[in-house]
Amino acid sequence: NAGVTQTPKFRILKIGQSMTLQCTQDMNHNYMYWYRQDPGMGLKLIYYSVGAGITDKGEVPNGYNVSRSTTEDFPLRLELAAPSQTSVYFCASSYGSRAGNTIYFGEGSWLTVV
Amino acid sequence: GENVEQHPSTLSVQEGDSAVIKCTYSDSASNYFPWYKQELGKGPQLIIDIRSNVGEKKDQRIAVTLNKTAKHFSLHITETQPEDSAVYFCAASDAGTALIFGKGTTLSVSS
Repeated sequence: NAGVTQTPKFRILKIGQSMTLQCTQDMNHNYMYWYRQDPGMGLKLIYYSVGAGITDKGEVPNGYNVSRSTTEDFPLRLELAAPSQTSVYFCASSYGSRAGNTIYFGEGSWLTVV
Repeated sequence: GENVEQHPSTLSVQEGDSAVIKCTYSDSASNYFPWYKQELGKGPQLIIDIRSNVGEKKDQRIAVTLNKTAKHFSLHITETQPEDSAVYFCAASDAGTALIFGKGTTLSVSS
């Protein structure tokens, strides 16, 4: 019963470094998402994918890149990390996008940029 | 685009009391309204949802009501218990892909 698995759980980056947050799901879901959560600000959509090979921008895509080469994996790449990217990142997936399709979240990745 | 406002940001109740969290949305095309519960150090989990063709939905101690005319929906928790303490998020979505979330309500239930 793995569901959505994210790694790493915690990471400290220096300004200007790059890193990739890994996400994999074992529910055969077509849709995958990356959200960031800042204190008191709810969850903001960074990027999403409707299937392998297809990605699109969400509300706050600047400074991030994604790829979707398989149904299971949806890594999030941070290029040239900035303090503004200090946040908790959640990967999520759903079977489809129609109203009523439950979105399942991973447990989060805590990222600090110093 | 859609905008979701959520109130209050914090809510403290005594065990056994009821708790109500309210959300308003801006896009009249939105037709799906889920509520998520997030416990400390965990990802959000769906607890209840409602579609626009339904005015109210109940699941044991949790209920959600929707007023499409006024564009607001509410979460009601009755007979609160300490394990209900968490952050609750409302969200709204049209037939598209993205869920737009409110900023969250931190519920504290004291025994």
